[in-house]
Formats: sequence, C-alpha cells, structure tokens
Amino acid sequence: NAGVTQTPKFQVLKTGQSMTLQCAQDMNHNSMYWYRQDPGMGLRLIYYSASEGTTDKGEVPNGYNVSRLNKREFSLRLESAAPSQTSVYFCASRGITVHYEQYFGPGTRLTVT
Amino acid sequence: AQSVTQPDIHITVSEGASLELRCNYSYGATPYLFWYVQSPGQGLQLLLKYFSGDTLVQGIKGFEAEFKRSQSSFNLRKPSVHWSDAAEYFCAVGAGGTSYGKLTFGQGTILTVHP
Repeated sequence: NAGVTQTPKFQVLKTGQSMTLQCAQDMNHNSMYWYRQDPGMGLRLIYYSASEGTTDKGEVPNGYNVSRLNKREFSLRLESAAPSQTSVYFCASRGITVHYEQYFGPGTRLTVT
Repeated sequence: AQSVTQPDIHITVSEGASLELRCNYSYGATPYLFWYVQSPGQGLQLLLKYFSGDTLVQGIKGFEAEFKRSQSSFNLRKPSVHWSDAAEYFCAVGAGGTSYGKLTFGQGTILTVHP
C-alpha cells in the first residue's frame, strides 16, 4: 500500500514549456486535490476532484488544467510554464468520511527559469 | 469563507522545553480542525484532528491540541520537545456541506529545536 504517489520528484522547465504532474492513490479514495506550497503562504488549493468524472477550481487555478483519468489518478498540467509557477506541488486524496482527513503525497519540486 | 491564521512564523525552543503553537480560525459553523507536520523535503503528515466531542484531542508523537470555540483557537501543545520535532507545522480547517472536504491551511510555523 503506497498511499499517494507523485511523479516526478523534481523538474526544471524553461518559460513556455509544458508538463504534466502525475498523481495516483491506491486507497480507493473518491476525492483528490492539487495544492501548491510557497514560502510563508501555506498550501493553496489549485484544483480538486470530488469524485471520478468531476473537477473544480480551487483558490489559484489560473495557468493550470487537471484531468481525473480514473478513480486512482489525477494529473495537473501546466500548458505554458511561467516563473510564478515555481513551487512545490502536492497531491492529496480523501475517502468517503465525514472527517475530511486528507492524505498527502511526497510532493514535486518544480522550478521554472 | 473559512480562514486560518498562525501568528508565529518561526519558533525556537530548547530540547526538553514545552511547546505551544497557535492557530486561530474563522468559520461560521463547527469546524473540522487539523494539525499537519512537514519535515524538510517531505509531504504532510497528520498529527491530530478535531470534529466534535472532547475539546482536548491527542495525536501522534506526544502532541495534543485544545479546541476553544470562544476564542476560535486550536493550539497545538507538547510538554517536552525532542530534536526530531523540528519541522514546519500547519493548522487547517475543513468545511462541511458541499465543500467536498476542501481544507484551508494556515501559513505554517517553522519549529527550530536547540540542543
């Protein structure tokens, strides 16, 4: 049981390049989330998927797109990377419970030059 | 909309000393409250959570937190800090209803432990 996995762990992009961050969970969770973490700002929600087949914007969605490929996988795409997207990205998942506890992946550190 | 404030950006304590990290939240109803810990280069690990009932909750690694509705606070405490507790700590609030379990995080508090 690996929990939440993310690939890649590190990535360097040039401005304007595109890439997709991958996330998978093996806990049979319904909901999945993408956050970005910047110093002094905590974690901010980019997009989330309440269940398979649905996605919705979070607090900071501009410049990103997501795909809920199936119940296990939720990817985050940067179509044209900008230096402002330099950040650490975390994926999280949550099962059907009233307690809203989320389980986090190890993160992807992205640098855009 | 809910919000979370962690007033202390950085706290330094000596090993063996007691610790209290502050968290204040804003939410119209009874919140779901969490404390997460992040070691350098790692993801977030859940320390403890509050949903209802006893306002003093126990977590992993000897941590506890107390929910005080009148003060809109959920402070994290530990009686005796260990060097391995050095990390960044995040308080988070979750809303019910149609929010689909979304969490709002505070800015984080970095804990440094001196030997």
